[in-house]
Amino acid sequence: DQQVKQNSPSLSVQEGRISILNCDYTNSMFDYFLWYKKYPAEGPTFLISISSIKDKNEDGRFTVFLNKSAKHLSLHIVPSQPGDSAVYFCAASGLGNDYKLSFGAGTTVTVRA
Amino acid sequence: NAGVTQTPKFQVLKTGQSMTLQCAQDMNHEYMSWYRQDPGMGLRLIHYSVGAGITDQGEVPNGYNVSRSTTEDFPLRLLSAAPSQTSVYFCASSRRGGGANEQFFGPGTRLTVL
Repeated sequence: DQQVKQNSPSLSVQEGRISILNCDYTNSMFDYFLWYKKYPAEGPTFLISISSIKDKNEDGRFTVFLNKSAKHLSLHIVPSQPGDSAVYFCAASGLGNDYKLSFGAGTTVTVRA
Repeated sequence: NAGVTQTPKFQVLKTGQSMTLQCAQDMNHEYMSWYRQDPGMGLRLIHYSVGAGITDQGEVPNGYNVSRSTTEDFPLRLLSAAPSQTSVYFCASSRRGGGANEQFFGPGTRLTVL
């Protein structure tokens, strides 16, 4: 049973607008959350992360929000650019188990010119 | 630094054949992991290692073996390939502690089992 769920397989957004990607988790022991970006024929690359003691982390155009009570996090990309077209994976790990990541199924983002 | 390297990039096997997927990292990372990516399922952890000589099973270990004799290398062995093992395999490495949990991934090996 998947402990990290990304219920939207795809998202299409116009260049310059905001992209919002959602992720839900079921394991209350998760304490660290990450987003990875993946282009075709490449490995995933780390994008941004957030610890469970925070509710927001920002890095340039990327912001991750965490709602622990709802077991929900989201990734905001503002403004969206054509180079952001990729698959985005949400991942989580538990305290003391930072070498074991649980991944969601991914959301394919397409940024339209 | 080359980062995490994987060989081969592509492989076709027949059912029952065995093979080894190679993974190496030059970042002196303690942790290394193997994942497989299947459509609609994201990445699933096969085996992982927290240091040379130490390995453990992940979420989907059946049909795979690993060993970690050096810090740099973490090969994944398919003992008797099955069509269900058709997938894209990613190796990853990360440093211990620090809270970053950032894993660095290799480019992947696309395996087809006929």
